Amino acid sequence: DAGVTQSPTHLIKTRGQHVTLRCSPISGHKSVSWYQQVLGQGPQFIFQYYEKEERGRGNFPDRFSARQFPNYSSELNVNALLLGDSALYLCASSHGTGAPSASTDTQYFGPGTRLTVL
Amino acid sequence: QKEVEQNSGPLSVPEGAIASLNCTYSDRGSQSFFWYRQYSGKSPELIMFIYSNGDKEDGRFTAQLNKASQYVSLLIRDSQPSDSATYLCAVNHRGTYKYIFGTGTRLKVLA
Repeated sequence: DAGVTQSPTHLIKTRGQHVTLRCSPISGHKSVSWYQQVLGQGPQFIFQYYEKEERGRGNFPDRFSARQFPNYSSELNVNALLLGDSALYLCASSHGTGAPSASTDTQYFGPGTRLTVL
Repeated sequence: QKEVEQNSGPLSVPEGAIASLNCTYSDRGSQSFFWYRQYSGKSPELIMFIYSNGDKEDGRFTAQLNKASQYVSLLIRDSQPSDSATYLCAVNHRGTYKYIFGTGTRLKVLA
């Protein structure tokens, strides 16, 4: 089975532009989470979606938005890009069923999208 | 106080030795704990998870959890140069589906 896929692999944008990142979860997984990882830091939680509904949001500005489609794939959108948005954006896939902290909710990461804002 | 703390390293161990990686967390209600390995320029790869106090072994890896001390560790036996990477500790935030990560510990296994 294919793992989590993300596109594009790399992206270069300029300040003020908009970007859309895409993610397809592992087959059978219904939940997608998005994380931002700045160099030298651990991933920071942005959003989690399950069955097209937002199930969690991290401390990111409203410039960040996401959605999930009926096939469980997801998009992360970032508006009005800032230099500080340069990072590795990670998508993580999980079953999503069950209560939080359940073993079925273990998250598996995709290869990431490297965003550079100039 | 950071929610999840790890020593950034680097931790250098000779090939064949045991590498011990440590992580502390602040939320006493945290229930699920994860170790990920991340090679430079790559995404995190799940090594193992642990939910109950005590030890959990998977091949050369052993995770240890002590909820009373709010401490989780990862032991890597017979360390190999290919184990050289950053090891991320993640904690499932109580009552949510959100993972909180430490900054990671860089491990260098010397041949």
